[in-house]
Amino acid sequence: QKEVEQDPGPLSVPEGAIVSLNCTYSNSAFQYFMWYRQYSRKGPELLMYTYSSGNKEDGRFTAQVDKSSKYISLFIRDSQPSDSATYLCAQRLVGNEKLTFGTGTRLTIIP
Amino acid sequence: DAGVTQSPTHLIKTRGQHVTLRCSPISGHKSVSWYQQVLGQGPQFIFQYYEKEERGRGNFPDRFSARQFPNYSSELNVNALLLGDSALYLCASSAYGGSGNTIYFGEGSWLTVV
Repeated sequence: QKEVEQDPGPLSVPEGAIVSLNCTYSNSAFQYFMWYRQYSRKGPELLMYTYSSGNKEDGRFTAQVDKSSKYISLFIRDSQPSDSATYLCAQRLVGNEKLTFGTGTRLTIIP
Repeated sequence: DAGVTQSPTHLIKTRGQHVTLRCSPISGHKSVSWYQQVLGQGPQFIFQYYEKEERGRGNFPDRFSARQFPNYSSELNVNALLLGDSALYLCASSAYGGSGNTIYFGEGSWLTVV
């Protein structure tokens, strides 16, 4: 079993729709949860960073962490064509620099 | 301010050859990590260095090695290249100052082994 499971997609939604991206993980010791956005042939760019359970909102983006079910989500409101990218979830342990990534979900926003 | 910079951006090597990839962290960052990203997959952790010492190693063969220099820049070396080493190699840096420190990635070095 992989430590982090993420549906690779591809996922296509119309512009303006709400997008929901999800990951599940198996290691209950993970404490930090991140979402990175990666445009084609570019490095990952940090979008959201959450510690432990709860919600965090930043503009059109909301990250949710449910540690009891080992489930993390990223919601994108009012999606734009510029949001078309691969979204990677990542987890890390306290005091540990190693990031454990999901496969990434490829998202396309259709104008 | 400059972000994480990597060189070269693209390179093509032949099986059996050796490759050296270079990384300069964000100014003030003392921790550097290396990741391998195969097409269609998420990045896989290779190494982490802090203050010139190895602090973490992923599940990669001994053909992979790295080091960090006094100015905190880093090199990743891969010997006896295989076709399966073709990937995007990403360098990441962080301040390593405590809880919640953010990890930033460079644009990567694209390695093709033929």
